Amino acid sequence: GQQVMQIPQYQHVQEGEDFTTYCNSSTTLSNIQWYKQRPGGHPVFLIQLVKSGEVKKQKRLTFQFGEAKKNSSLHITATQTTDVGTYFCAGGVNNNDMRFGAGTRLTVKP
Amino acid sequence: KAGVTQTPRYLIKTRGQQVTLSCSPISGHRSVSWYQQTPGQGLQFLFEYFSETQRNKGNFPGRFSGRQFSNSRSEMNVSTLELGDSALYLCASSWGRGVVRPEAFFGQGTRLTVV
Repeated sequence: GQQVMQIPQYQHVQEGEDFTTYCNSSTTLSNIQWYKQRPGGHPVFLIQLVKSGEVKKQKRLTFQFGEAKKNSSLHITATQTTDVGTYFCAGGVNNNDMRFGAGTRLTVKP
Repeated sequence: KAGVTQTPRYLIKTRGQQVTLSCSPISGHRSVSWYQQTPGQGLQFLFEYFSETQRNKGNFPGRFSGRQFSNSRSEMNVSTLELGDSALYLCASSWGRGVVRPEAFFGQGTRLTVV
C-alpha cells in the first residue's frame, strides 16, 4: 500500500550540532504532520503543513513542505539534550487517511 | 480537558488467549485510530473509527478487530494471540475527518506482552 518513507532511521549527534530528518512519499500528500515521541512516552503533535512550499518555524525547529507536496523535512539547529526522542512524520494520503513514517530516533551526546 | 485514556497500561497474556484494549478519546473527539508500535517498525496503522463506523483499516490479519461506541469510546480486540503481537498499542483521537486531517492526540498506550 501507499507508504511514507522517513530517513534516517537513527541519528546520533553531539550537542550543538544540527539535525535533519526527511519524509518522502511517492504520491502527493494533502498535508504533513510532525510528531515527537520522547523515550517511554507517546507521540505528541508538533506541527502541520498544508501548503506547497510551506515553511514553519518553532524556535530551533524548522519544518518544510516540498513544492510538489511529496516530501517534507524537519531541521533542528544546535541540538540540545532535550531534543532526544523519535520524530515521526505523518502524511495525508488517499481516503482521508494519515500514514506515519517509521520515525527517526535522535540521540544527543552532551 | 482530560487527555486520551487507554486501559490497561500493561498486560501480560499467554499465546492463544484473546485481549481487549480500551480507549477513551478526548471529550468531543469523534475519530479514534489505533496503532501498533514495535521497535524498528514505527507506527503501524490498525484501523480508524468515526461515528461508530470503521473508516479505514491497515494491513493486519482478521484477528485484530475493533469497535466504537456511541460515546466515541473505542475498543480493540486481538484473538488467538501470537508472540509477535507483543507491542505498544497506541490510540489516537481527533475531532474530525476533514479534507485536511486535524492533529491527533495520543494516549499513553497499552504495553502488551505475549508469553
